[in-house]
Amino acid sequence: KNEVEQSPQNLTAQEGEFITINCSYSVGISALHWLQQHPGGGIVSLFMLSSGKKKHGRLIATINIQEKHSSLHITASHPRDSAVYICAVHSGGSNYKLTFGKGTLLTVNP
Amino acid sequence: SAVISQKPSRDICQRGTSLTIQCQVDSQVTMMFWYRQQPGQSLTLIATANQGSEATYESGFVIDKFPISRPNLTFSTLTVSNMSPEDSSIYLCSVGGTYITYEQYFGPGTRLTVT
Repeated sequence: KNEVEQSPQNLTAQEGEFITINCSYSVGISALHWLQQHPGGGIVSLFMLSSGKKKHGRLIATINIQEKHSSLHITASHPRDSAVYICAVHSGGSNYKLTFGKGTLLTVNP
Repeated sequence: SAVISQKPSRDICQRGTSLTIQCQVDSQVTMMFWYRQQPGQSLTLIATANQGSEATYESGFVIDKFPISRPNLTFSTLTVSNMSPEDSSIYLCSVGGTYITYEQYFGPGTRLTVT
């Protein structure tokens, strides 16, 4: 069983829809990242959070440490949001290693 | 934040040859990492590039296959040696530990195809 599980694996939405991607992890963590990977392969860091909620534009990320769960929400989705969204966690200590989920492929149709 | 560039962005190589990937950061960073992403898979850490000392490799990765250099705090190289088709992947450089603990930034990746 992976330490980081994402759902769904694939998600297709119509432009304008509200989207939620979920991430559950089984280890104690110091921080959780949400990353975006476009078809070219490059990765953009969207959020890093260790508690509560963060918002940037149409993106919102929440984390519940007790439940070991995080969600990434996209409001008013747009075709340019189409990408793979990856959840990754730091297990803590001086080790900066990340453990990655397998990613969620989001396709937003116009 | 840190801005990272990688060269080359993509390459097609013949089996048995080697390719060196460069990673350049626009600021001095403590931690540099090299990841591999095989087709349809998640990212896997290859090694942590340490400035002034040997890289720290993860289980399943060895220095002879993936030699790494880190001559200063802004630059690193990863060489994929004696390539086989199984090495076809995206290779990503990332950096962390700049201003805020646990923040990481990723390069644009190098898409390698081995024929």
